[in-house]
Amino acid sequence: DAGVTQSPTHLIKTRGQHVTLRCSPISGHKSVSWYQQVLGQGPQFIFQYYEKEERGRGNFPDRFSARQFPNYSSELNVNALLLGDSALYLCASSSPNTDTQYFGPGTRLTVL
Amino acid sequence: QKEVEQNSGPLSVPEGAIASLNCTYSDRGSQSFFWYRQYSGKSPELIMFIYSNGDKEDGRFTAQLNKASQYVSLLIRDSQPSDSATYLCAALYIHQGAQKLVFGQGTRLTINP
Repeated sequence: DAGVTQSPTHLIKTRGQHVTLRCSPISGHKSVSWYQQVLGQGPQFIFQYYEKEERGRGNFPDRFSARQFPNYSSELNVNALLLGDSALYLCASSSPNTDTQYFGPGTRLTVL
Repeated sequence: QKEVEQNSGPLSVPEGAIASLNCTYSDRGSQSFFWYRQYSGKSPELIMFIYSNGDKEDGRFTAQLNKASQYVSLLIRDSQPSDSATYLCAALYIHQGAQKLVFGQGTRLTINP
């Protein structure tokens, strides 16, 4: 089975721009979570979606938003990009029967 | 504030020896714990999860959980150079239906041939 997929792999934006990151979960998984990982730190929780509903939100500003589609894929949107938004953005999916989260390859965002 | 603490290292271990990685967590309510391995420039890869007090073994890896001490550890036996990576410890917190992983900052492990 294919794992979690994310696109794009790398992205370079300038301050003030907007970005959309995409994620497709493992087949059969209905939950998608987003994490931000800055260099030298562990991932930080941004959002969790289950069955298209937001289940939880981390300590991130309203510039960050997300949604989940009927096929369980998800988008993460970040508006008004700041230099500090440069990070690896990770998507993780989990099945309804377990609490184990599997990560995709990530999107490396660089804000100049 | 729910926290997970790890020694950032670097931890250097000779090839063939046992590598011991440690982690503490702040919230006694957490029931599930995970170890992920992350190679430089890559995403975290799940190695093991543990829910119950005691040891859990999978091949060369053993996870240990002590809920009374709020302590989780990972032992890697017969360490190989390919084990050189950053190891992330995570605790799962469930709040109002959301399942959120809280990670430590990771321990960088180097296996010396």
